[in-house]
Amino acid sequence: DTAVSQTPKYLVTQMGNDKSIKCEQNLGHDTMYWYKQDSKKFLKIMFSYNNKELIINETVPNRFSPKSPDKAHLNLHINSLELGDSAVYFCASSQDRGNSGANVLTFGAGSRLTVL
Amino acid sequence: GQQVMQIPQYQHVQEGEDFTTYCNSSTTLSNIQWYKQRPGGHPVFLIQLVKSGEVKKQKRLTFQFGEAKKNSSLHITATQTTDVGTYFCAGARGGYNKLIFGAGTRLAVHP
Repeated sequence: DTAVSQTPKYLVTQMGNDKSIKCEQNLGHDTMYWYKQDSKKFLKIMFSYNNKELIINETVPNRFSPKSPDKAHLNLHINSLELGDSAVYFCASSQDRGNSGANVLTFGAGSRLTVL
Repeated sequence: GQQVMQIPQYQHVQEGEDFTTYCNSSTTLSNIQWYKQRPGGHPVFLIQLVKSGEVKKQKRLTFQFGEAKKNSSLHITATQTTDVGTYFCAGARGGYNKLIFGAGTRLAVHP
């Protein structure tokens, strides 16, 4: 069983379209994340949810809207896609360790988005 | 804001040579993590360092956390072709686990 699964794995679309990426984790983790990895491999956090509550919201255009229907799911919807949105989007999850140290991330396989 | 710098960006080695990647933070970190991403794959957690001056080993990999908790290194002894990939450090300052990733070091190993 895949611990963190995201769909689709590949997504090719035209500029201006709206698309969604879905993520599910079966690890029982409390926190889920979306990271963006650009062509230079920079990994940048976009959003984080803890038990369905948004806790990290980096400087991301309003066109990106995360939604967490429950703590096992975190979806990412992108409106009016632009060329610069082309990247690999990674979902991740972690179990809250409180003061025991930073949470260890388990990443999904990634969703490669190509905007033409 | 907090930055985590990682060098070198790329490293090409012959199989059997050693490899080291360095990570520096502009601020004191509560802990640091290391991840490995194989080509075409996703980042996979390797280790976490929490204590000042901490050293941990995993077979041929040695991880260090600086005394000031601002820098860290990953050293691989006698590289193998299976070591190929991008190695990321990620630092945290506490709070809600906002890990800041370094730019990564891409390792190529020539047989």
